[in-house]
Order: sequence, then C-alpha cells, then structure tokens
Amino acid sequence: AQSVTQPDIHITVSEGASLELRCNYSYGATPYLFWYVQSPGQGLQLLLKYFSGDTLVQGIKGFEAEFKRSQSSFNLRKPSVHWSDAAEYFCAVAGSSGGYQKVTFGIGTKLQVIP
Amino acid sequence: DSGVTQTPKHLITATGQRVTLRCSPRSGDLSVYWYQQSLDQGLQFLIQYYNGEERAKGNILERFSAQQFPDLHSELNLSSLELGDSALYFCASSVGQGISYEQYFGPGTRLTVT
Repeated sequence: AQSVTQPDIHITVSEGASLELRCNYSYGATPYLFWYVQSPGQGLQLLLKYFSGDTLVQGIKGFEAEFKRSQSSFNLRKPSVHWSDAAEYFCAVAGSSGGYQKVTFGIGTKLQVIP
Repeated sequence: DSGVTQTPKHLITATGQRVTLRCSPRSGDLSVYWYQQSLDQGLQFLIQYYNGEERAKGNILERFSAQQFPDLHSELNLSSLELGDSALYFCASSVGQGISYEQYFGPGTRLTVT
C-alpha cells in the first residue's frame, strides 16, 4: 500500500530565510509525486509534480522539489520565504492500489512565517 | 479561483440525517474527485468519476454515495450522519481520468454534524 510521511507538523521560519519541507513516501514502483498548498479557507493548489525524468522539479511560486529514490524522499524547497507563503503544505503520492489509481496525501505541514 | 464550484459552503445538520453536496467541475473537465479532510484522518480520497462512470474508489463509507450526471456535475450523498462525519469535503476536477492529470480543487463544503 502506498503511504506518505510528513514528519514536521508545524514549521516556523523567518521571512527571507530558506525553507525545506520533508516528505517520505512508500510505494512499490516508480511513484507519481505531488506537492500541494492550501491557504486558509481555500482548496488545494498544485505546486509541482514529478512523474519521471529530471529529479529536480520546478514549480510555481518559486518552489522546487527533488526526488531521491534511494531515500524515498521528495522534499520541497524555497530559497527565500515570503510572508504570503504561510499556508499548509501537502505531499502526495499517486499510484495503483487495489486495481484503482488513487492519490494518498500526507498529513500536512503548517508553515508559519515570522517577520 | 480554480473554476470548480461547490455548494453549499457550510452545512449544519443533526446525527442520523442525510445531506447532498454538489460540485460543478471546470469547463471541459470530465473527471470529478471527492475528498474528505478532517482533523483526525487528514485528507482522504473518497471516489472518482469520469464522464459519468465510477473510476476509482478510496476510503468511502457505505453510508456515502456519489454520482456524476450527464452535464458532468457531481453529487456526494451522505446518509445516517454521525458526529465523526464532520469534515471539510472537497471536490476536484481534471480533464482526464488518469492520475497524471492535474486536479483542480474547489473551495470545499464544511459539514458540521451536531
């Protein structure tokens, strides 16, 4: 069965500092991996995705993520955080399970940005 | 604005009741997905429809059912409601049926069961 672990429930960073949100996945084959962002009172928005090819993926809003198969990780990074990045971030893995293709989300990491 | 609309935004009802949540996908999208987001379970995939047919099933309870109509809007029916069903229910849509297609999420329906 596929699963996702986001070990950090809550992270606080200063505006302008760098950010790395951790994500580890479990899936038997090559997974499809995603990062979503959810602002308060909003639905989820896709930041970036990895299916194959270059393991460093660029996304929207200046985010990037690196797929490391040996570590089963797909960490999200941003070199300089803005106050508007305060939100909840979800890592997700997609694959076949029980004959269906479906997405499994991590529990989320809530990002607080301080001035 | 993702282009996905959900109604109602908020719903308060009592245990044992039945409710219907509605979702209109983005123009041109054929797939509709339903998700439940709760504090204890996180974000869970419930079910997917593509062009009117069920395509994938997740952790959907037997008390819950969904359908997608010819005009592609979808409804999620929740019956015999329990306190634990209180959650945010999201609908998402995509142009195709595979998981490689980007899903666009609606703003959600917050259900409170008292």
